[in-house]
Amino acid sequence: TQLLEQSPQFLSIQEGENLTVYCNSSSVFSSLQWYRQEPGEGPVLLVTVVTGGEVKKLKRLTFQFGDARKDSSLHITAAQPGDTGLYLCAGESSGAGSYQLTFGKGTKLSVIP
Amino acid sequence: NAGVTQTPKFQVLKTGQSMTLQCAQDMNHEYMSWYRQDPGMGLRLIHYSVGAGITDQGEVPNGYNVSRSTTEDFPLRLLSAAPSQTSVYFCASSVTGYEQYFGPGTRLTVT
Repeated sequence: TQLLEQSPQFLSIQEGENLTVYCNSSSVFSSLQWYRQEPGEGPVLLVTVVTGGEVKKLKRLTFQFGDARKDSSLHITAAQPGDTGLYLCAGESSGAGSYQLTFGKGTKLSVIP
Repeated sequence: NAGVTQTPKFQVLKTGQSMTLQCAQDMNHEYMSWYRQDPGMGLRLIHYSVGAGITDQGEVPNGYNVSRSTTEDFPLRLLSAAPSQTSVYFCASSVTGYEQYFGPGTRLTVT
């Protein structure tokens, strides 16, 4: 069973601060997605990273896929209250045809105005 | 486009009752999935489908049935509800099989 460990589990910061959350595994993934989930809603896809070492930016959010494709990080610059939510990473297994994602348990972020 | 829609949004069942959670998507995605989300457990895959007429089991399929007669619809049936099935259920669709578009969820309580 492939596992994705996310850290920290909870993070509470002041508006304007920077933060990084992590998604780690001992397994190799073909790709990795990041989702954000707000209370009472379904997760929303933010980004997919595919290539080892890849960096993608989405406004103030920077996503990186580890060189070995076993880990990823999400960095938020100058956090805003609108960034509050549960951040989930999900990995696509490198074996073909199973069409099953492995989800981490998430990092719950609170940005205090 | 409405995206992925789920009904009902909330449901309370008694132990032993059966019900169907509805899911529909209007994006013509071949892949559809059902997940449950529980505190401390994350999202776990129940069943998935790679196209009309084709379904397969995920990580936690026991107590649930699915069918896929059309591309648009993917209902999840609880055969005999148990308190352990109290959860939030999400339906998702995908073009690639991996990048998921989630519905708003159904919050189910079994007493």
